[in-house]
Amino acid sequence: GESVGLHLPTLSVQEGDNSIINCAYSNSASDYFIWYKQESGKGPQFIIDIRSNMDKRQGQRVTVLLNKTVKHLSLQIAATQPGDSAVYFCAENTGYSTLTFGKGTMLLVSP
Amino acid sequence: DAMVIQNPRYQVTQFGKPVTLSCSQTLNHNVMYWYQQKSSQAPKLLFHYYDKDFNNEADTPDNFQSRRPNTSFCFLDIRSPGLGDAAMYLCATSREGTGTNEKLFFGSGTQLSVL
Repeated sequence: GESVGLHLPTLSVQEGDNSIINCAYSNSASDYFIWYKQESGKGPQFIIDIRSNMDKRQGQRVTVLLNKTVKHLSLQIAATQPGDSAVYFCAENTGYSTLTFGKGTMLLVSP
Repeated sequence: DAMVIQNPRYQVTQFGKPVTLSCSQTLNHNVMYWYQQKSSQAPKLLFHYYDKDFNNEADTPDNFQSRRPNTSFCFLDIRSPGLGDAAMYLCATSREGTGTNEKLFFGSGTQLSVL
């Protein structure tokens, strides 16, 4: 079946570095994508979203890039901080009220 | 400030003993969702309500049921919990369906243990 997946299960960076978390999706009909951050023992927290008619969207310290040609989504975090340490999930809309999550990438930020 | 509230934070039940998890929201959103998340895995959608309309995912076991008595509250009932049902259960809401580019707001989850 079609699914959303991530290339790297764990990403370790130094504080101050830029982080890039990648996500591959296979449902070409998906039109809306979201990145969530989940800290240990907490629910997912919205970071940024992007519609399929866009290829880039910027937030505060975060940028999401969408490449529909290769079905690839990435989350860039500038000047990564220890508080950014968490699991990051990409999710795609696969139905009117159905958000399908990818496997997740753990980001570890060292001081 | 909490907008999606789940109780309890931790729940322990016995194998086969029915258990109910609760979720409430102060956002007045139309859609409420229940996700199951096992350790180191992605959240998996069990079902959702659009207002009073219940929408079950095809692979959700019959052991899982849900009730939404009003806009603010939604319950997850596990009729006969098995050891494999131990997981974090996440409640989420959205103003409209995600097909309209609406993002989900999650609660902090209930961690269910089955002994």
